[in-house]
Amino acid sequence: QSALTQPASVSGSLGQSITISCTGTSSDVGGYNYVSWYQQHPGKAPKLMIYDVSKRPSGVSNRFSGSKSGNTASLTISGLQAEDEADYYCSSYTSSTTWVFGGGTKVTVL
Amino acid sequence: QLQLQESGPGLVKPSETLSLTCTVSGGSISSSSYYWGWIRQPPGKGLEWIGSISYNGRTYYNPSLKSRVTISVDTSKNQFSLKLNSVTAADTAVHYCARRSLVVSAFDYWGQGTLVTVSS
Repeated sequence: QSALTQPASVSGSLGQSITISCTGTSSDVGGYNYVSWYQQHPGKAPKLMIYDVSKRPSGVSNRFSGSKSGNTASLTISGLQAEDEADYYCSSYTSSTTWVFGGGTKVTVL
Repeated sequence: QLQLQESGPGLVKPSETLSLTCTVSGGSISSSSYYWGWIRQPPGKGLEWIGSISYNGRTYYNPSLKSRVTISVDTSKNQFSLKLNSVTAADTAVHYCARRSLVVSAFDYWGQGTLVTVSS
């Protein structure tokens, strides 16, 4: 299975909004509403930020939102804050009953 | 509060078998609402799903690793384990164990991760 495609890096200024894309195929992202997003700070374990395309776990800021169109899912971070600087990974369930991750996107807060 | 903790050797020789155990505390591994998985991350690289197991032993593996991977569960010890045989330097990675909720359909709890280095 091939990794989902994410931009290597995205940057934005404090208070701005940024969007990270995650492109797959009709066998994963496009075929199921089981897309999730994870935030990972250096040396730390990933943290679930979004599940089922657009749902937020309890305790995750409403500045984080998710969406999907066709084979591409997106994570938007609004009101960018310094602590949002991290790596972000998307993940999707696949038609092979497996899970696949994206290559990761480094978010830099300017 | 649910906690997951990986344990096992930090150094494995090439061609040998990598063995890790994940101990779950603060909750039961025997619930039918969850799957338990292993995810790895080579140094400086992205996440790769290795495989998952249900409380009753049903397994799913990454096709690229399937021939070398075995995941098992021990409900009496509230643990699940990973074995990866015939390892090479390319298998050097931080290995995470995680819970996948059937309700949330994502990996909602993660262990802190453990680095396994493959080297002679």
